[in-house]
Amino acid sequence: AQTVTQSQPEMSVQEAETVTLSCTYDTSESDYYLFWYKQPPSRQMILVIRQEAYKQQNATENRFSVNFQKAAKSFSLKISDSQLGDAAMYFCAYKVVDMRFGAGTRLTVKP
Amino acid sequence: ETGVTQTPRHLVMGMTNKKSLKCEQHLGHNAMYWYKQSAKKPLELMFVYNFKEQTENNSVPSRFSPECPNSSHLFLHLHTLQPEDSALYLCASSQEGRNNEKLFFGSGTQLSVL
Repeated sequence: AQTVTQSQPEMSVQEAETVTLSCTYDTSESDYYLFWYKQPPSRQMILVIRQEAYKQQNATENRFSVNFQKAAKSFSLKISDSQLGDAAMYFCAYKVVDMRFGAGTRLTVKP
Repeated sequence: ETGVTQTPRHLVMGMTNKKSLKCEQHLGHNAMYWYKQSAKKPLELMFVYNFKEQTENNSVPSRFSPECPNSSHLFLHLHTLQPEDSALYLCASSQEGRNNEKLFFGSGTQLSVL
């Protein structure tokens, strides 16, 4: 069975600093997709960044980037220059047929 | 706005009530999903509809009954629920088959079962 593990239930970062959220997953597949979603207090899940497993280059989206280590089955999210609006729950997800999620990391941004 | 609308936003119901959650997507997608989100647990995939046909049912109790009358609408009918069914229920949609693998989510229905 596919499992996604986020080992950090909560993280905190100072505004303008950098923070890294961890994610590992378990799969026997070689072709799949990985995602990071953000869920602010409004509850709506918003896609932050997406990575295809067959691509070696790490995805980046402005201040958000990933460190994808396929052999280690690791997919961490780095947020640079953290902003107050980055405070939210962050979910790592994995998809072959259906999307499966981790339990989430609550990120607090301190002014 | 992601193009996926869920109603109601909040719902309180007794264990003997019957209610329905509604989801509508305005994105022209061909797949829709129900997820259950409980505190400190991974999102649980409940049902998947692809081209209006149910393709997955993850051992969900029969007190949850999905309905997908067309590719834009998805319902979750609830009856005889238990207090442990209290959770945030999220609807999502996607366009499968075009290498566009991401899901678009609604804002969820926060359900409380008394």
